[in-house]
Amino acid sequence: DTEVTQTPKHLVMGMTNKKSLKCEQHMGHRAMYWYKQKAKKPPELMFVYSYEKLSINESVPSRFSPECPNSSLLNLHLHALQPEDSALYLCASSQVQGGGTEAFFGQGTRLTVV
Amino acid sequence: AQRVTQPEKLLSVFKGAPVELKCNYSYSGSPELFWYVQYSRQRLQLLLRHISRESIKGFTADLNKGETSFHLKKPFAQEEDSAMYYCALRSYNTDKLIFGTGTRLQVFP
Repeated sequence: DTEVTQTPKHLVMGMTNKKSLKCEQHMGHRAMYWYKQKAKKPPELMFVYSYEKLSINESVPSRFSPECPNSSLLNLHLHALQPEDSALYLCASSQVQGGGTEAFFGQGTRLTVV
Repeated sequence: AQRVTQPEKLLSVFKGAPVELKCNYSYSGSPELFWYVQYSRQRLQLLLRHISRESIKGFTADLNKGETSFHLKKPFAQEEDSAMYYCALRSYNTDKLIFGTGTRLQVFP
């Protein structure tokens, strides 16, 4: 299984809502990533988890809260988002550190904040 | 700091023409360089990595540390090569993977 699965595929939420994005992989990868991608723009790194610990936070606002409950799962909890947070959120996983290892990407969750 | 630059937003060629997508990087340590491709309505996927020096779908890329470049080349473009191409850099001793701004390749029949 070389897939990264993200749920839901689409999400519409109000600015006062709380929701979560989920990501799952069963490739034994110990590095997992969240990216944000706006239309016609490249993926922008948000968070990196290595061995289930948060290793990189790219100064992301606290209304985005990542969680890595185990080596296969990655969540992104959303609260009090703004309309400008509407984007495609991508999850990825890879082996850790070095060796030219490939990052596998999910299809993404398309988030609309209203 | 890590940075990846792709100067061309759009590259349009005719089928059979050579293609070169430019990528320059800035990184003080030992970088790992990749090319990722995103076909229409498909997920982002790896095309090439510098460490394996392979040719995939006729594409090659050579890491030039002197010029800090990792340009992607193909001698004869095909219509099915039309896609968005991202150059990416990962630092060797962390898991930070960042992307350039991307180049859209259009191959006309």
